[in-house]
Order: sequence, then C-alpha cells, then structure tokens
Amino acid sequence: QVQLQESGPGLVKPSQTLSLTCTVSGGSISSGSYYWSWIRQPAGKGLEWIGRIYTSGSTNYNPSLKSRVTISVDTSKNQFSLKLSSVTAADTAVYYCAAEGGGPFDYWGQGTLVTVSS
Amino acid sequence: EIVMTQSPATLSVSPGERATLSCRASQSVSSNLAWYQQKPGQAPRLLIYGASTRATGIPARFSGSGSGTEFTLTISSLQSEDFAVYYCQQYNNWPPPYTFGQGTKLEIK
Repeated sequence: QVQLQESGPGLVKPSQTLSLTCTVSGGSISSGSYYWSWIRQPAGKGLEWIGRIYTSGSTNYNPSLKSRVTISVDTSKNQFSLKLSSVTAADTAVYYCAAEGGGPFDYWGQGTLVTVSS
Repeated sequence: EIVMTQSPATLSVSPGERATLSCRASQSVSSNLAWYQQKPGQAPRLLIYGASTRATGIPARFSGSGSGTEFTLTISSLQSEDFAVYYCQQYNNWPPPYTFGQGTKLEIK
C-alpha cells in the first residue's frame, strides 16, 4: 500500500516561497500507476486542488494558482515537491500530498500545516 | 471551472438511521464523481469513485448513486464512526482542475 508523508517548514513569511516535499513509500513513484498531487485545506474550510505531476514530469496546475506554483519530481528519492511563491496569509492551510489514480485520490499524506506570518 | 454544491451543510441524524447527502455539479460530470470522508485532524479517505463504486475496504452501508449533475451518498445505518465531514469531488475535467464540494458535516442527533 502506498504511503505518503509531507515535510517542510511550518512557518513562511509573507512574499516568500513555500516549499514542501512528499516522500512516497510502499511503491515506486515511477511506476506510472498514479499522478502525484498537492491539495490544500484552510482551517475550517474545504479542499482545493493545487496541481499534479506524472512520473514523466508532465504537470497540471489549478489556473487560480498557476502563476505561483511549481511541482517537481525526484524519482531517485521517490519524492515530489511543491513550491508556491509570493505567499500571503490566504495561503495558510493544511497541505496534503496525494496519489491520484486517474481522478479519485486513492492515498493521502497526513497533511502538514503551513502558516504564513511575519 | 465546474462548481460542486453540497447539501445540506450540516445533517443531524441518530445512530442506526439512514443519512442521505447530496452533491450537485454546475455542469455534467458524467459518472466522474468521488466521495470522501474526513474526520477531525485526519486526511480525507476515499469512499466512493465512479459515482457508485466503493473503494477498497469501505463497508457496504456506504453507497453512491447518480450521474450527470446530481449525486447522492447514502449511509444506510449510521455507526458512531461515520460522524464526520463528507466531500464530493468531480474529476471530469481534462485536463484538471478537479474541484470539491464545500462539504456536509454529519453530526449526531
């Protein structure tokens, strides 16, 4: 069974870049079975899909965030990463990484809270 | 962008009773609809995909129905562990973005 674990700073200053990494275990990120996605959830609110990457490096991003988002993959480490630039308080949320099997999100990380504050 | 609207926002039901949650899409998503359960402090868990197919390990008391723009998640006999927030998600867009509903909180009556 695929397991995912997010890691990265829990506090980011406004205007800086948020950087998170998701480590995948229980399967190879290169298997081609999944798209590797990032999803976020502000406190007490719903879920927002940020974007995804395939093992080939092909990406899709939410148009609302596209100008600020970069998702990359490191197959040698079985990891994929999120960078979100020019953050504001509105980017404060729990960030999840997830494995998408062609639409539904089959597996999720436990989530990591990122707070944007000076 | 396809907008997903869930109703009601909060549903109060007694244990052992049936719960019916609704999800409406702003345009047809065919059967490309998933349901998730989220408990406090936890990540969402996939319950249903393809509008009506239970994910691995999901009890039979959970069932999904619908197609096009109207969908329903039914929990036939509520157990204590079922009280949570439920989200629907469409994945009909190609390429994404995928979108989620705002959630229905299922609480104990």
